[in-house]
Amino acid sequence: EVQLVQSGTEVKKPGESLKISCKGSGYNFPNYWIGWVRQMPGKGLEWMGIIYPGDSDTRYSPSFQGQVTISADKPFSTAYLQWSSLKASDTAIYYCARLSGDNFLDSWGQGTLVTVSS
Amino acid sequence: EIVLTQSPGTLSLSPGERATLSCRASQSVNSFYLGWYQQKPGQAPRLLIYGASSRATGIPDRFSGSGSGTDFTLTISRLEPEDFAVYYCQQYGPSPHTFGQGTKLEIK
Repeated sequence: EVQLVQSGTEVKKPGESLKISCKGSGYNFPNYWIGWVRQMPGKGLEWMGIIYPGDSDTRYSPSFQGQVTISADKPFSTAYLQWSSLKASDTAIYYCARLSGDNFLDSWGQGTLVTVSS
Repeated sequence: EIVLTQSPGTLSLSPGERATLSCRASQSVNSFYLGWYQQKPGQAPRLLIYGASSRATGIPDRFSGSGSGTDFTLTISRLEPEDFAVYYCQQYGPSPHTFGQGTKLEIK
């Protein structure tokens, strides 16, 4: 069974750094793209970017390029989303999801709630 | 970037009724790359439809997708109580793989 398990809730202050994780199991992790999706409070889904763990090829939405960094650690079957300097507007639930061979999001993590507040 | 516009924003219907949700793209989308997701409160989204019309594993046949070009539709033939949720379309052809803003399906 394909599973994506994300790291837990984070509460941070503006300006702090953060790295959240998404661990895949039940499939050949390097061979499938992993995507990150943001959901701000009470709002819709926003596609942030994707990474191919096999060679770390990464694509970003223009809205998120330069704002976050997506990475992956193949031996640990884990993808990451990180910020160098958080803002209050980064408060959201962040989902990771696996892209199928045809690029739709076929399995989702449970989400990580990130709250940024002074 | 392809912009997807979903309508209506909110749809109020009763169990047993038929729901028709629309997703319109700012430019033509290969139907192979159009999907629909369902999200219930406090849960992650779930894939319903991929390739515009193929049901994902375990999705009941009351859910169907159709469309081509710039106009796509998700139809729920007879609403069950568990179908009241928010529905998103997504195009996953050219990057970025954009989502529509969602349609909330609520109980009338």
